[in-house]
Amino acid sequence: QQQVKQSPQSLIVQKGGISIINCAYENTAFDYFPWYQQFPGKGPALLIAIRPDVSEKKEGRFTISFNKSAKQFSLHIMDSQPGDSATYFCAASRGGSYIPTFGRGTSLIVHP
Amino acid sequence: NAGVTQTPKFQVLKTGQSMTLQCAQDMNHNSMYWYRQDPGMGLRLIYYSASEGTTDKGEVPNGYNVSRLNKREFSLRLESAAPSQTSVYFCASNPGFSGNTIYFGEGSWLTVV
Repeated sequence: QQQVKQSPQSLIVQKGGISIINCAYENTAFDYFPWYQQFPGKGPALLIAIRPDVSEKKEGRFTISFNKSAKQFSLHIMDSQPGDSATYFCAASRGGSYIPTFGRGTSLIVHP
Repeated sequence: NAGVTQTPKFQVLKTGQSMTLQCAQDMNHNSMYWYRQDPGMGLRLIYYSASEGTTDKGEVPNGYNVSRLNKREFSLRLESAAPSQTSVYFCASNPGFSGNTIYFGEGSWLTVV
């Protein structure tokens, strides 16, 4: 059973456009929602994270929007750049657990 | 500061051979993990160690064994490699408290022929 569903699986955006990746979760006990960015040949690295007490968190061009009632959260990349081309994973974890649940990833390609 | 270091980076095995993937972290983290990444399947947890001296199965443990040698090191062993174990393997660590960042190594590319 997949507890965190991520979509789309792949995404192609033109430079300067907005990239949007969505995740939906089932377990209402989740209380931490990070996004990881993975460049080819590298391991994933934390990009940005949010807790459910806020509806939005912004860091530079990257924004997480969180909808607790819908059990959904999304990553928005504004003014997408070719350097943003990577695989993005959403994840969720709950208090007391050492194990995040990952989405299946989205491969983002930003064309120049 | 090296973070999470995995060796080897690339390995080709014949079916039935055994090998051990080594992992070490220098961040004094309590928890360590082994994931495999396959196209379209995301990151799947093989085994984890919440703290030194403990190990537990994850989502896909069959065909693997692990050893938490000490707080720094967490190895993954394939006793009899199978083509289905062709994958990219990531070791990761975490300070040990929910909500903290997972730090990944750079990956080990394993091909079983």
